Amino acid sequence: DQQVKQNSPSLSVQEGRISILNCDYTNSMFDYFLWYKKYPAEGPTFLISISSIKDKNEDGRFTVFLNKSAKHLSLHIVPSQPGDSAVYFCAVWGQGGKLIFGQGTELSVKP
Amino acid sequence: DVKVTQSSRYLVKRTGEKVFLECVQDMDHENMFWYRQDPGLGLRLIYFSYDVKMKEKGDIPEGYSVSREKKERFSLILESASTNQTSMYLCASSPDSYTGELFFGEGSRLTVL
Repeated sequence: DQQVKQNSPSLSVQEGRISILNCDYTNSMFDYFLWYKKYPAEGPTFLISISSIKDKNEDGRFTVFLNKSAKHLSLHIVPSQPGDSAVYFCAVWGQGGKLIFGQGTELSVKP
Repeated sequence: DVKVTQSSRYLVKRTGEKVFLECVQDMDHENMFWYRQDPGLGLRLIYFSYDVKMKEKGDIPEGYSVSREKKERFSLILESASTNQTSMYLCASSPDSYTGELFFGEGSRLTVL
């Protein structure tokens, strides 16, 4: 069973517009969430995180929103740039000290 | 800067061969992890370790083993490689559990023929 789901395998956005990446999770006990970005042939790099005591965290062009009642997480990128084209993974710290990842969403930002 | 180094970027092995993937981190992190990445499946945890000589199974440990003899080094072993183990393998380390970020190496692309 997939505890963390990213239902959109890909997303295409025009440069300068907003990119919204979504993530759903199953366990209401999860309390710390992260987003990672991955370029081809490189390891994932940490982007932004949020604790369950907050509903929003912002870092420059990146904002993560947490809706605990819906068990839903989203990442907003405004404005989107071609260099943002990558695969984005959401992740959550689960039981037993495991960081559980979603399937990833491939973002393509077109000039 | 945290550096996680994986010994081989690309490997090609034959079915049945024993394969060693080495990972070294230079930040004195307690925790180390091995994931594999496959299209449509995301990153799946194979094994992790919170201390020297300690190991815990992740979600897909079958066909793999690990070794952590020193704090900075975490090795993934495929005892008898099979074609379904063709994948991108990612090592990571972290100083903390439950709230910290993981720092990843660049990955090792393994092809088993």
